[in-house]
Amino acid sequence: GIQVEQSPPDLILQEGANSTLRCNFSDSVNNLQWFHQNPWGQLINLFYIPSGTKQNGRLSATTVATERYSLLYISSSQTTDSGVYFCAVPTGGGNKLTFGTGTQLKVEL
Amino acid sequence: DAGVTQSPTHLIKTRGQQVTLRCSPKSGHDTVCWYQQALGQGPQFIFQYYEEEERQRGNFPDRFSGHQFPNYSSELNVNALLLGDSALYLCASRSSGGTDTQYFGPGTRLTVL
Repeated sequence: GIQVEQSPPDLILQEGANSTLRCNFSDSVNNLQWFHQNPWGQLINLFYIPSGTKQNGRLSATTVATERYSLLYISSSQTTDSGVYFCAVPTGGGNKLTFGTGTQLKVEL
Repeated sequence: DAGVTQSPTHLIKTRGQQVTLRCSPKSGHDTVCWYQQALGQGPQFIFQYYEEEERQRGNFPDRFSGHQFPNYSSELNVNALLLGDSALYLCASRSSGGTDTQYFGPGTRLTVL
């Protein structure tokens, strides 16, 4: 099956710093979603981005489907950005989402 | 516009018992997926329901079963609970007529003692 790897696995930032999270996938995909899982476990949709670049406030994402990777940029990080960031791709021809290995982000004051 | 809701929030059971978790999809959504997330791992797909039928299933034993009702809400049932079933159970919904975007509920945290 498809492999979805994320890097780095862990990241500690000072408030105000910028960061780039990466998601690599081993096979062609039709779309890709980025999620933020807060400390209470809620998965929050960030982007639905099959290709190209999207921006939402301090966050932006780019997917290069032909090269099988996606990037999530976080600018001017805040403590509320802490949590785990997952990318996920549909597999099996249906609604099954395969999640990446996740990036644990901690933003400190 | 209500998002995906799940109940209960937390649940404690003992080995061998049975449990039922509930999910109401986001307004306008007709497809429900269930995921299991063990501590420190990403969510794993259990199954998907659409038009009251199971349409796709992940690598989970038959102890995991589900149901979808005419109002699109869904239940996840787990029989003969094992310690390893302790996890966060997430429900996601989407519209079959829209994009593939899935929206997740807050989850049910199940502890098996």
